[in-house]
Amino acid sequence: NAGVTQTPKFRVLKTGQSMTLLCAQDMNHEYMYWYRQDPGMGLRLIHYSVGEGTTAKGEVPDGYNVSRLKKQNFLLGLESAAPSQTSVYFCASSFGGHTEAFFGQGTRLTVV
Amino acid sequence: RKEVEQDPGPFNVPEGATVAFNCTYSNSASQSFFWYRQDCRKEPKLLMSVYSSGNEDGRFTAQLNRASQYISLLIRDSKLSDSATYLCVVKFYGGSQGNLIFGKGTKLSVKP
Repeated sequence: NAGVTQTPKFRVLKTGQSMTLLCAQDMNHEYMYWYRQDPGMGLRLIHYSVGEGTTAKGEVPDGYNVSRLKKQNFLLGLESAAPSQTSVYFCASSFGGHTEAFFGQGTRLTVV
Repeated sequence: RKEVEQDPGPFNVPEGATVAFNCTYSNSASQSFFWYRQDCRKEPKLLMSVYSSGNEDGRFTAQLNRASQYISLLIRDSKLSDSATYLCVVKFYGGSQGNLIFGKGTKLSVKP
């Protein structure tokens, strides 16, 4: 099993460009999450999903959109990238509400 | 007030030392608790779940005090390979269903 896979692993964007980060999990997990991690800020939740077809806002949702059309995939979109979105993005999934989350290897995004 | 708070450290200890980390959480409705480990530029990985009765895994012991709303992690006989950042994670229920909240992490450096 691959677990949680994120693509791409690295990306450089120009301000105003758009992109989509893909997260795929093969563990049949219901819950999926997108976090960003910045120095001194820790991991902050952007959006999450508790099942196929559902999404919800986390702590820092502005400037991002998500979709969960298939149970195994959770997409994070940046419609118009800004330098403040330079960060490391982690996707995670968990089987249920009480269980631990498994993380992808991260995407390092730089917006110039 | 931040929902999950940790001492950021760094904790610099010699090999073989015993070191303890504490974490406090603000939401009494919290239901699930975990310790994760994150190596530099890597994804967080589950170290152990924290149960009400306390639990031990080799050199690692986790404790939960619901009345005082804190979680602890004890590492005995520290190894060089224990050097990492340790993240306290709490799952809240209710308004943010299934939301994982991370502390900012405590950095541990084990020296020869």
